[in-house]
Amino acid sequence: GAGVSQSPSNKVTEKGKDVELRCDPISGHTALYWYRQSLGQGLEFLIYFQGNSAPDKSGLPSDRFSAERTGGSVSTLTIQRTQQEDSAVYLCASSPIRLAGGLETQYFGPGTRLLVL
Amino acid sequence: AQRVTQPEKLLSVFKGAPVELKCNYSYSGSPELFWYVQYSRQRLQLLLRHISRESIKGFTADLNKGETSFHLKKPFAQEEDSAMYYCALRAAGNKLTFGGGTRVLVKP
Repeated sequence: GAGVSQSPSNKVTEKGKDVELRCDPISGHTALYWYRQSLGQGLEFLIYFQGNSAPDKSGLPSDRFSAERTGGSVSTLTIQRTQQEDSAVYLCASSPIRLAGGLETQYFGPGTRLLVL
Repeated sequence: AQRVTQPEKLLSVFKGAPVELKCNYSYSGSPELFWYVQYSRQRLQLLLRHISRESIKGFTADLNKGETSFHLKKPFAQEEDSAMYYCALRAAGNKLTFGGGTRVLVKP
């Protein structure tokens, strides 16, 4: 079946502009995660959605970052007033519910490469 | 707070040689450990997880709680193993904490 998809694949923007990154999780997956992969920082967690529960926003680096998940499916990560240090690859992942009640393996999308000039 | 450390940024080995990628973690509870791999121009994918105790593509990893380590090993490296490898820890809350990654280069 189709995997996690993300759009756009590449985004170039000017400092100060807002950007929106989209993630389509695997159908039926209840959990959705955003991570950031940047040079020198590795992979860092940003935000996590699980069903109708309040999202875990503990990884968002500043209040310029926000994310929504509409209808328990598609998610949008928004970065307002972009800065050059926001340049990175933004990865989305999704996972199903584990039968025992926990959450299963995370499946990653191809990422959106963001460059802020 | 949890932390994952991969001390080697680059490992270069010859084909057929053993390879070991080190991973150490700090977490006060009982963690789940994973190895993820990213081949060139491909997405990040799960390689193996400690609770499965399985060997994938010849790789194995043993969780050593005493040493808080989860090193990844393969006795005979192949050229197709060249990739970026990330060790990750899942603690409470389901989010993954990743190490900095190790780039493996297998030379012919």
